[in-house]
Parts: sequence; C-alpha cells; structure tokens
Amino acid sequence: DVKVTQSSRYLVKRTGEKVFLECVQDMDHENMFWYRQDPGLGLRLIYFSYDVKMKEKGDIPEGYSVSREKKERFSLILESASTNQTSMYLCASRGGGLMNTEAFFGQGTRLTVV
Amino acid sequence: GQQLNQSPQSMFIQEGEDVSMNCTSSSIFNTWLWYKQDPGEGPVLLIALYKAGELTSNGRLTAQFGITRKDSFLNISASIPSDVGIYFCAGQWFQAGTALIFGKGTTLSVSS
Repeated sequence: DVKVTQSSRYLVKRTGEKVFLECVQDMDHENMFWYRQDPGLGLRLIYFSYDVKMKEKGDIPEGYSVSREKKERFSLILESASTNQTSMYLCASRGGGLMNTEAFFGQGTRLTVV
Repeated sequence: GQQLNQSPQSMFIQEGEDVSMNCTSSSIFNTWLWYKQDPGEGPVLLIALYKAGELTSNGRLTAQFGITRKDSFLNISASIPSDVGIYFCAGQWFQAGTALIFGKGTTLSVSS
C-alpha cells in the first residue's frame, strides 16, 4: 500500500513563527502536492512538485514556500505564520506516467496559529 | 483557481436510502476520481475513472465518467451509518506538471 506520512497530526504555533510541515511518501512517486482544506472551500492547491527541486505554484501560494530536496520528501514552509493560515493541511503524492493518475493523501495536519 | 461544481453541498438521509451526487466542469478531463474523507483524516480514494462513458462499481458505490468528459456522478446504494463523511470529486487533465482539481465536497449524514 502507498503510504504518505505527514510529520504531525496537530500543531499550535504563534503568529510570526516559521513553520515547517513535512511529508514523506514511500512509493517513489514523482509528483507531490500540498493542499489546504477549509470548511465550505474544499481542497485548494498551494504548491506542487513534479520532480526533485522542481515546484509549481498552485491556486493559493501566497505566504507559503516549499522544498523538495529528495524525491520522497516535500516540505511546506510558512515563512511567518498568521492566524488566517489556521487550517487543515493535506499532502498527496502521485506517480508519473499515463496509468498512475490517482493521488494518495496523508492523514492531514491541523495547524492552529494563535 | 479552477474548481469543479459539486452538488449537493450536503445531504441528510435515513439509513437504507440511496444517495447520488455529481460534479461538473467547464474543462474536459482524462480522469475522474472520487474520494471519501472521514472526520480528522485525509481523503481516501474510492473509485477512479479513465474513459468517457465508463461505469465502475466498488461494493455499494457506483461512479460514471460522463460522455462529454465534463461530468461525473457517484451513487451509494443502501446507505449505512459508516458512509458518513465528506465525498470529493476530482478531475485531472493528465500531462506533466498538472495537479488534481477538487470539488468542494458533499457532506453526507446518515441517521439510523
């Protein structure tokens, strides 16, 4: 089974802190994604990466950055956390090629910024 | 950003009833996916559809890839309490450097 693991289930951080959310997948997938989920807004794409050191902005990249130094790990960075970044963050991965289109999700990180 | 139109937004049903939800898009897709999310967890893939017109079942769940490639539906037959959760559709135009686009979800409540 594909396993996507997010480093924390729950995080509480203070306004202005630099926050790192880590995601690791064990299936050698090329593509990795970060989404945030808010009530009534569904899943919104923050950033994604289709290869090591490659990144693409999603729909809501402002206030975030990402890092992909190794294929299995994709980090989301909140440079200076703000209260409006309180949310559920979901990491996903997907293989490359025409037959590997399903994305698999981690368990989510619920971040509260106070 | 682009999103799919998923309806209904929420449903309150009795155990044993059938459920139907759908997604529409202004873009055509190569793939339609349906996910379920339990409270406090990440979404889990239920069904994947790859061909226009394709009808696929997974137990009590049936999903179809619309002929126009711009829509999909999910049916759940004989609902049970553990069907409670949020159901998301997702579409994808498969090419390098593209990401899944999600609907806003359908929240299903089942009373016994």
